[in-house]
Amino acid sequence: AQTVTQSQPEMSVQEAETVTLSCTYDTSESDYYLFWYKQPPSRQMILVIRQEAYKQQNATENRFSVNFQKAAKSFSLKISDSQLGDAAMYFCAYRSRSGYALNFGKGTSLLVTP
Amino acid sequence: EAQVTQNPRYLITVTGKKLTVTCSQNMNHEYMSWYRQDPGLGLRQIYYSMNVEVTDKGDVPEGYKVSRKEKRNFPLILESPSPNQTSLYFCASNPSGRADEKLFFGSGTQLSVL
Repeated sequence: AQTVTQSQPEMSVQEAETVTLSCTYDTSESDYYLFWYKQPPSRQMILVIRQEAYKQQNATENRFSVNFQKAAKSFSLKISDSQLGDAAMYFCAYRSRSGYALNFGKGTSLLVTP
Repeated sequence: EAQVTQNPRYLITVTGKKLTVTCSQNMNHEYMSWYRQDPGLGLRQIYYSMNVEVTDKGDVPEGYKVSRKEKRNFPLILESPSPNQTSLYFCASNPSGRADEKLFFGSGTQLSVL
């Protein structure tokens, strides 16, 4: 089974600053998708950004962008101009094109300070 | 409004007392799935279903049953709950189970087994 590793259990950032959350994964497949999900205290799972492995270009969604390094199997999330509403648990997830499950990392809790 | 609805949101029960967590989606999705979320472990897939009467095990199916008699409903059944099934449970669906389709999550069910 594919494994997803988030090595930072907790991170802290000041409002308006930039923070990067790390994620690495292990797979022998070449065709897959990577995701970042946000889980605020409401517990809702919110898709932040998605990356297709065969696309070289890094995905961006407003203040959120990724650094996808396929050879290194690394998929970090950068949050620019951090806002108080960004405080949440962030999960990195992997899914192969042929599989039926999202494989999640253990999560990184992001604290945003004023 | 397109949504995945889980009930109940919170449930406290005792060891051995059978319970069912319901999940319903109004988007005519073929694919539905159950995950459990535990601190320090992320989310793990319990069961999934590709269509009516078609279900399959995920990574942690022990102690759980599911059924898919109708396309819109995918209940999770704990026939004899145990304390190690205390967890936050999520139902999710997408149109056809493809990896590039957005996965819609329910709001979660927090289960405590005493």
